[in-house]
Amino acid sequence: DAKTTQPNSMESNEEEPVHLPCNHSTISGTDYIHWYRQLPSQGPEYVIHGLTSNVNNRMASLAIAEDRKSSTLILHRATLRDAAVYYCILTNNNDMRFGAGTRLTVKP
Amino acid sequence: GAVVSQHPSRVICKSGTSVKIECRSLDFQATTMFWYRQFPKQSLMLMATSNEGSKATYEQGVEKDKFLINHASLTLSTLTVTSAHPEDSSFYICSARAYNPNQPQHFGDGTRLSIL
Repeated sequence: DAKTTQPNSMESNEEEPVHLPCNHSTISGTDYIHWYRQLPSQGPEYVIHGLTSNVNNRMASLAIAEDRKSSTLILHRATLRDAAVYYCILTNNNDMRFGAGTRLTVKP
Repeated sequence: GAVVSQHPSRVICKSGTSVKIECRSLDFQATTMFWYRQFPKQSLMLMATSNEGSKATYEQGVEKDKFLINHASLTLSTLTVTSAHPEDSSFYICSARAYNPNQPQHFGDGTRLSIL
């Protein structure tokens, strides 16, 4: 399975944008890029996913590099409720395996 | 959005007890369901994948006779931890996915299992 690399942790200030990076240099042409987040003592929550083009939804934006070897999850205005572990995962007609993710801390 | 309900949310029981956890997709047909386990301060570890009407596929190191999975319908999968012991204490999470494998998985809120 193609793997992803994310920073262990990041900090942000409330109401500022947050850019969470993910490297996936071994991505194949048919791998989808998914982002989930997990709050303490809860199951993961779907955030966004994409294949080649940038994607926007009500929660976030996903910017995918032209060579697809990296992507960035963008939270446009962080709130305290966005504090969570964010996982970047590649899927290709198969199951979903989680790495360590990035723990985002949001400071008031 | 799609909703997956997991029950119970918390179980505390004595060693040797068998525990059943239910996972239901409430508003879509879940062709495939997944079971994960998460230990404190660690990431989710995939235990098994089940397709409706088929036997589950277990990950290496996960005992199929210990963790019984049933996926008899498109809306329900169950995980039974048989003869649970303290080392089975963990956070168990299910997820469900519709037919298209590249669409998002939808996760339950997890079951905290504590074996005394």
